[in-house]
Amino acid sequence: QSVLTQPPSASGTPGQRVTISCSGDNSNIGTYYVSWYQQFSGTAPKLLIYRSDQRPSGVPDRVSGSRSGTSASLAISGLRSEDEGEYYCAAWDDRLSGVVFGGGTKLTVL
Amino acid sequence: EVQLLESGGGLVQPGGSLRLSCAASGFTFSTSAMNWVRQGPGKGLQWISTVSASGNNTYYTDSVKGRLTISRDNSKNTVYLQMISLRAEDSAVYFCAKGWGGTFDIWGQGTVVTVSS
Repeated sequence: QSVLTQPPSASGTPGQRVTISCSGDNSNIGTYYVSWYQQFSGTAPKLLIYRSDQRPSGVPDRVSGSRSGTSASLAISGLRSEDEGEYYCAAWDDRLSGVVFGGGTKLTVL
Repeated sequence: EVQLLESGGGLVQPGGSLRLSCAASGFTFSTSAMNWVRQGPGKGLQWISTVSASGNNTYYTDSVKGRLTISRDNSKNTVYLQMISLRAEDSAVYFCAKGWGGTFDIWGQGTVVTVSS
């Protein structure tokens, strides 16, 4: 059971906008920035969002992140087939003195 | 080219030991915190450990404390994970990653550890 809670699955059709939530508490998301990662079939994860809403260079602006209170969200607009994969949120946790990940959300493009 | 290259994975018996290495290139290793993150078969990502840029500070997830030790050699641009008393539940792909506090901007390709008799 993960400290950060994500829905196990999400889906959308090409062109649609999809959001993935990540819920925590005041020891993690409520205090610290959230990062988001994209992973395809056991390959190395890729950083999509850092500091809750910042995109690294090379990540398209149709990908966005936000944080409010003890929750965060990842949004992908203009959905494409190549967006299909697994998405994880992560943050520092004061209570555990370490990094916590969400359980992951499998995104399917219908 | 910015790169992290893990090595040292393999098959080990329960109770055995293994040392993973991660060689870095293409960035200033000595000023970067480094991490190990693992992913069990069919499971999600699990942060294991962080070492500060100097190597003076280390952090571990509870399930590995006392069994796994992270260290680094800034003269060799390499971070290590020494693993002892290995259990079946330690079987995973082990990724090396650069960054701090959950923001990992560079990842290695991973090395597979299998704990089985």
